[in-house]
Amino acid sequence: GAVVSQHPSRVICKSGTSVKIECRSLDFQATTMFWYRQFPKKSLMLMATSNEGSKATYEQGVEKDKFLINHASLTLSTLTVTSAHPEDSSFYICSGTETSGSYEQYFGPGTRLTVT
Amino acid sequence: GQQLNQSPQSMFIQEGEDVSMNCTSSSIFNTWLWYKQDPGEGPVLLIALYKAGELTSNGRLTAQFGITRKDSFLNISASIPSDVGIYFCAGRLGTNAGKSTFGDGTTLTVKP
Repeated sequence: GAVVSQHPSRVICKSGTSVKIECRSLDFQATTMFWYRQFPKKSLMLMATSNEGSKATYEQGVEKDKFLINHASLTLSTLTVTSAHPEDSSFYICSGTETSGSYEQYFGPGTRLTVT
Repeated sequence: GQQLNQSPQSMFIQEGEDVSMNCTSSSIFNTWLWYKQDPGEGPVLLIALYKAGELTSNGRLTAQFGITRKDSFLNISASIPSDVGIYFCAGRLGTNAGKSTFGDGTTLTVKP
């Protein structure tokens, strides 16, 4: 149980375009989802916390207008990187926590974004 | 903020050997977590520890929550090639999973 999927797994886009990444909890309801960014050989950096039906809470230094997060249902959160630039290239990982039982987060497989 | 020091940064071992890695913190945590990340994948939770002194096993993996609440270790016994990956520790003070502080990871390479 506690499976999280992400789509797409890899995406290449041109500078200036926007990219949407989907995060789905497949077998549980996730009232809270988290979005992380990971640089090569580095740890996970929390970008924002997304609660179903409300605005996301962004970590310090993360531009909310650049990284748009929507959590419209208990099984889906989306991250849109707007006006992408090469420095936005990274590995983006989402996670979800269940509404009951374990409060631990279950991670998706990640999305590799390359901005050319 | 809270800092986690995870060591070693990398390990190169022979198949069959035991492995030990640890994390130390400058402040206390109420939860310690150990994750494994394969290349190009998200982290997978291996062991969660919720009580100081707790020792928990998951197959060939054993982790302990340090009695001071400022450290934790993970042992892997009789390593096999599929143990290759990056192991992350994470500590948390409250119940908000998103407030976990992650270590920088230990990259494990197992030679057949």
